[in-house]
Amino acid sequence: EAGVTQSPTHLIKTRGQQVTLRCSPISGHTSVYWYQQALGLGLQFLLWYDEGEERNRGNFPPRFSGRQFPNYSSELNVNALELEDSALYLCASSLGGVYNEQFFGPGTRLTVL
Amino acid sequence: AQSVTQPDIHITVSEGASLELRCNYSYGATPYLFWYVQSPGQGLQLLLKYFSGDTLVQGIKGFEAEFKRSQSSFNLRKPSVHWSDAAEYFCAVVLIKAAGNKLTFGGGTRVLVKP
Repeated sequence: EAGVTQSPTHLIKTRGQQVTLRCSPISGHTSVYWYQQALGLGLQFLLWYDEGEERNRGNFPPRFSGRQFPNYSSELNVNALELEDSALYLCASSLGGVYNEQFFGPGTRLTVL
Repeated sequence: AQSVTQPDIHITVSEGASLELRCNYSYGATPYLFWYVQSPGQGLQLLLKYFSGDTLVQGIKGFEAEFKRSQSSFNLRKPSVHWSDAAEYFCAVVLIKAAGNKLTFGGGTRVLVKP
């Protein structure tokens, strides 16, 4: 069974640009989560999507947004990139509903210059 | 404030020696508790979890963890470390119903294994 996949693996952008990261969940999983792992800040929860709806949001500015498609894949969009957005962005998926185990993808490494 | 604390940023251990990683949480109710491992350049892999029941939990790769309610702790242990255990380890919690399935992570403990 295929795990959570993320694309691209690495990305380099300049300050002020916009970026889109993609995540495909494990087959049968309806929930997708996004986490940011920035140097010195640890792992922080960004967003949770379930059945196409945003269910929970972490303490991030509105320029971080996303969506979930009918096939349950998800995109994370970051507008007006800042240097501190440089991080590993991890996607996880799970069965829907009240907490089920989250399975993580390998992440997308974003570097903002 | 609600938080998850891993007091040790780095731990160096000799191959074959025992390992214990500490995790403390600060929440009003007992959360669901997890330990994840992250190898360099990789995502997170779940080692074990505690939801309820027996407070000693067995996980993958020979790891175990003990939940101690009185100490608000969930320490991870391995009796004999292998070189492949060198990685970063994260304790995490989920507050069911209150926090919308959000995993809250500790700061991580990086484990170095000496030959």
